[in-house]
Amino acid sequence: SQQGEEDPQALSIQEGENATMNCSYKTSINNLQWYRQNSGRGLVHLILIRSNEREKHSGRLRVTLDTSKKSSSLLITASRAADTASYFCATDPFYNAGNMLTFGGGTRLMVKP
Amino acid sequence: ETGVTQSPTHLIKTRGQQVTLRCSSQSGHNTVSWYQQALGQGPQFIFQYYREEENGRGNFPPRFSGLQFPNYSSELNVNALELDDSALYLCASSLREPAKNIQYFGAGTRLSVL
Repeated sequence: SQQGEEDPQALSIQEGENATMNCSYKTSINNLQWYRQNSGRGLVHLILIRSNEREKHSGRLRVTLDTSKKSSSLLITASRAADTASYFCATDPFYNAGNMLTFGGGTRLMVKP
Repeated sequence: ETGVTQSPTHLIKTRGQQVTLRCSSQSGHNTVSWYQQALGQGPQFIFQYYREEENGRGNFPPRFSGLQFPNYSSELNVNALELDDSALYLCASSLREPAKNIQYFGAGTRLSVL
């Protein structure tokens, strides 16, 4: 079973629009990370937000974290066709003895030119 | 490019066979994790190796086993393959850092079990 659930499961927008994806998780965490995956390839790390942070920015990415609601959101501003990919949140659980990450089911984003 | 390489890229096996997948970690990384990703789902943690010892395991049966070598390369072995083992297998290397744990993934091995 997976720790997180992502919402929506799929999202289709026009180039230039903003894309927002949400992630909910179940246990206390050290940090939450977002990864991107292009069509069945490996995952690429995008951004990490620690449990004591509420918001973080990296280029066109903005991540928020609400530990009281056990939820996070990823905002991609001014989207481009090249942003088309699957996006996964991954939590680093607080009890983590093995450095494992627990992934959600992902949001499949399509950006139409 | 993450510097993590996996081989082979694709593999077809039949039920009951055994398979070995290989991973070469990014230079300087001492930890390797393996994940199974079924079609349309997120990666599921199989196990992790740190300094050649298993250091955490997900909900996978003992027929999934692994090795990490002194040069930090790694193998995933799966015995008695089942149809449900068909998936993308991802290797990720990392540097063991408290409260950080960013993982660098290879492109994966796609295993099909017929």
